Amino acid sequence: DAKTTQPNSMESNEEEPVHLPCNHSTISGTDYIHWYRQLPSQGPEYVIHGLTSNVNNRMASLAIAEDRKSSTLILHRATLRDAAVYYCILSLGIQGAQKLVFGQGTRLTINP
Amino acid sequence: DAGITQSPRHKVTETGTPVTLRCHQTENHRYMYWYRQDPGHGLRLIHYSYGVKDTDKGEVSDGYSVSRSKTEDFLLTLESATSSQTSVYFCAISEIRGGQPQHFGDGTRLSIL
Repeated sequence: DAKTTQPNSMESNEEEPVHLPCNHSTISGTDYIHWYRQLPSQGPEYVIHGLTSNVNNRMASLAIAEDRKSSTLILHRATLRDAAVYYCILSLGIQGAQKLVFGQGTRLTINP
Repeated sequence: DAGITQSPRHKVTETGTPVTLRCHQTENHRYMYWYRQDPGHGLRLIHYSYGVKDTDKGEVSDGYSVSRSKTEDFLLTLESATSSQTSVYFCAISEIRGGQPQHFGDGTRLSIL
């Protein structure tokens, strides 16, 4: 299974942008890049996903490198509610059950 | 939010007793999954289902069985619970199209004494 590498922890200040990096050097052509986050005592929450092009939604932006070996989740204006563990995961882009492999993720701390 | 309900939300039981956790969805998604999460770890896949009566093993399936008799319900059973199965269990669902995200329930916190 293709793996991802993320920093164990990051810290930022409220109302500032946050850039969460992820390396996935063994990504295959059919792998989608997914980001989930998990707030304390809750299930993982889908944030965003993409294949080749940068993506934006109401929660965040996803910037994908041209060679697809890395990506960055961008929170444009962090709030205290964004403090969570963020997981970068590769998901097969073919029809079928997606056996997601969760790593340790990045624990994001937001300072007031 | 995706319509996923896990029950019970909390359970405490004794070693050796059978335990069944239920996941119910209202989204009519084909795929359903059971994960467990232990302190300091990411989620690990236990079993998954790709249709009614169609299931397969995940990464940590030993000691667990599953059943899916209806599209909307996916049951996880611990035939004889052990203390090592104390964990938080999450159910997830996903659509048939490749690359689509999974949506997770709120979890069941299971303690086995």
